[in-house]
Amino acid sequence: DTAVSQTPKYLVTQMGNDKSIKCEQNLGHDTMYWYKQDSKKFLKIMFSYNNKELIINETVPNRFSPKSPDKAHLNLHINSLELGDSAVYFCASSHHEELETQYFGPGTRLLVL
Amino acid sequence: QKEVEQNSGPLSVPEGAIASLNCTYSDRGSQSFFWYRQYSGKSPELIMFIYSNGDKEDGRFTAQLNKASQYVSLLIRDSQPSDSATYLCAVKKPNSGYALNFGKGTSLLVTP
Repeated sequence: DTAVSQTPKYLVTQMGNDKSIKCEQNLGHDTMYWYKQDSKKFLKIMFSYNNKELIINETVPNRFSPKSPDKAHLNLHINSLELGDSAVYFCASSHHEELETQYFGPGTRLLVL
Repeated sequence: QKEVEQNSGPLSVPEGAIASLNCTYSDRGSQSFFWYRQYSGKSPELIMFIYSNGDKEDGRFTAQLNKASQYVSLLIRDSQPSDSATYLCAVKKPNSGYALNFGKGTSLLVTP
């Protein structure tokens, strides 16, 4: 059983398009995250949701809009894709506590042409 | 000053040796610290976490934390070629919903 899953695994698209990435976790966690890993492999938090409510937005352009329909799902919609959006996007989940471990999904590799 | 700093490496050690990976962090309010391993093309996977000063051992891995010096390290004993990966130090951001602040990672190469 996959703990944190993401779809699609690969996404190749043209500049200006709109795309979505989906994430689901079956760990019973109440908090989910989106991280972006750029070409230099630097992993950076984008958003955090706790019980479907946004709790962190780390100065991400408003072209990125996360949506959490329930505690087990956190989707990421990106409008007007730009070349600089090319990266690997990781979803993660955890319980909302200081000492809880975050578990990562397999990542979605986005390439904007 | 970067919030979490790591030497990017590559750090090369011979098989069977001890690999020592270091990390410093800037926010004195940080309480919990994590080491993740990431193989090329894969997602980060947790190796260890630590939140008390001192050492914490798990198999071949030992995490060390010194909050006064704002320093975290990971020792890998009896290094194996399969340990070759990028090791990411992560610190939970205080007052920010427990998101992780990652260092840029240290690339470890264990040579047979």
